[in-house]
Amino acid sequence: QITLKESGPTLVKPTQTLTLTCTFSGFSLSTSGMGVGWIRQPPGKALEWLALILWDDDKRYSPSLKSRLTITKDTSKDQVVLTLTNLDPVDTATYYCAHSPTVAGLPSTWGLGTLVTVAS
Amino acid sequence: SSELTQDPAVSVALGQTVRITCQGDSLRIYSANWYQQKPGQAPILVIYYENIRPSEIPARFSGSSSGDTASLTITGAQAEDEADYYCASRDSSGNHVLFGGGTKVTVL
Repeated sequence: QITLKESGPTLVKPTQTLTLTCTFSGFSLSTSGMGVGWIRQPPGKALEWLALILWDDDKRYSPSLKSRLTITKDTSKDQVVLTLTNLDPVDTATYYCAHSPTVAGLPSTWGLGTLVTVAS
Repeated sequence: SSELTQDPAVSVALGQTVRITCQGDSLRIYSANWYQQKPGQAPILVIYYENIRPSEIPARFSGSSSGDTASLTITGAQAEDEADYYCASRDSSGNHVLFGGGTKVTVL
């Protein structure tokens, strides 16, 4: 059974950097084809894809947010970390991590999500 | 293009059939996934690779594709199918993931 859980701060101030951790089980990011992605959803709005990291350390970012995003993995801990710099209130959203079983990067199993509010 | 377009909302009578569409140039090349999201919950995968249903998803959910449009059909909609539905696929470069804007399905 694959499970993922997001963790990180619930409230951050504008201009600060957000660091979120995805801890997963049921698969290994050292297995060929596996990936973990991040997706966010502002309150009442649509899903927005942010980033993906694959088993071979291939990293892909949303073109519109690429300059602010970094994704890394720690295979030994079964964790993926996403950082988003220079936060603005429009970054307020529920942030999800999700397992991707193919190089296409489309999410399969999702975590429950974590709500991050950006406010002073 | 770098967009997947969905109708914002559709309604269906209980037990009837509803089709939700997702349009985008990249769908001519890449297949779509479909996700169901109920209020306050994370999305769940209902269709992948255009028309494959995970084992736990009811058989009334099916997917198809033609040209630049992918479709999700619910045959015999139930009250519990009331939710937001999102399509997703790769963009034209193949390197990024796109989500549609979502379709709110109301079961009357």
